[in-house]
Amino acid sequence: GQSLEQPSEVTAVEGAIVQINCTYQTSGFYGLSWYQQHDGGAPTFLSYNALDGLEETGRFSSFLSRSDSYGYLLLQELQMKDSASYFCAVSGGSYIPTFGRGTSLIVHP
Amino acid sequence: GAGVSQSPSNKVTEKGKDVELRCDPISGHTALYWYRQSLGQGLEFLIYFQGNSAPDKSGLPSDRFSAERTGGSVSTLTIQRTQQEDSAVYLCASSSYSNQPQHFGDGTRLSIL
Repeated sequence: GQSLEQPSEVTAVEGAIVQINCTYQTSGFYGLSWYQQHDGGAPTFLSYNALDGLEETGRFSSFLSRSDSYGYLLLQELQMKDSASYFCAVSGGSYIPTFGRGTSLIVHP
Repeated sequence: GAGVSQSPSNKVTEKGKDVELRCDPISGHTALYWYRQSLGQGLEFLIYFQGNSAPDKSGLPSDRFSAERTGGSVSTLTIQRTQQEDSAVYLCASSSYSNQPQHFGDGTRLSIL
């Protein structure tokens, strides 16, 4: 089967940098995805890593280490609007991605 | 359209009634997923379609739930004899192929009175 672990909550101040970690267990691996979801909204795709290393998309970056079954989402220059839930999801041999329980990011002024 | 479209956006119905939720995926996307999300919770997988293959129904919570996908495009999720515990947001997502990043619709917020 597949399982993921991510922190339930992270807090940070505006302008800071925050890292949200995700560790996973899966038989077979295709990629690790990150999604953002604001309260009352739908999940929005942020980033995808199929290979080891860092993927950068503006203020957001995502990292993957397949040997460590570990990834993280890095958010720089935090803004109040970044307050949301962030989900990691692993795609493995089952074709059905498994989502983590989500990390609630709270950005303080 | 440019994104995944779901309808209705909100549905309020009485316990025991049947409901149909519709999803129109991104054109050309072969994979389609249905999820359920209760308030403050993660995503609960319901059913997965890939092209014209038989769907993976392993996540459906009971035989009151069913889904179909016509012509490899539009999908309908049907809940029969609704119960109050069915109240949730039902999300549809599509991807270009299995195991690729998913694009979600805005969901249908279902409330059972």
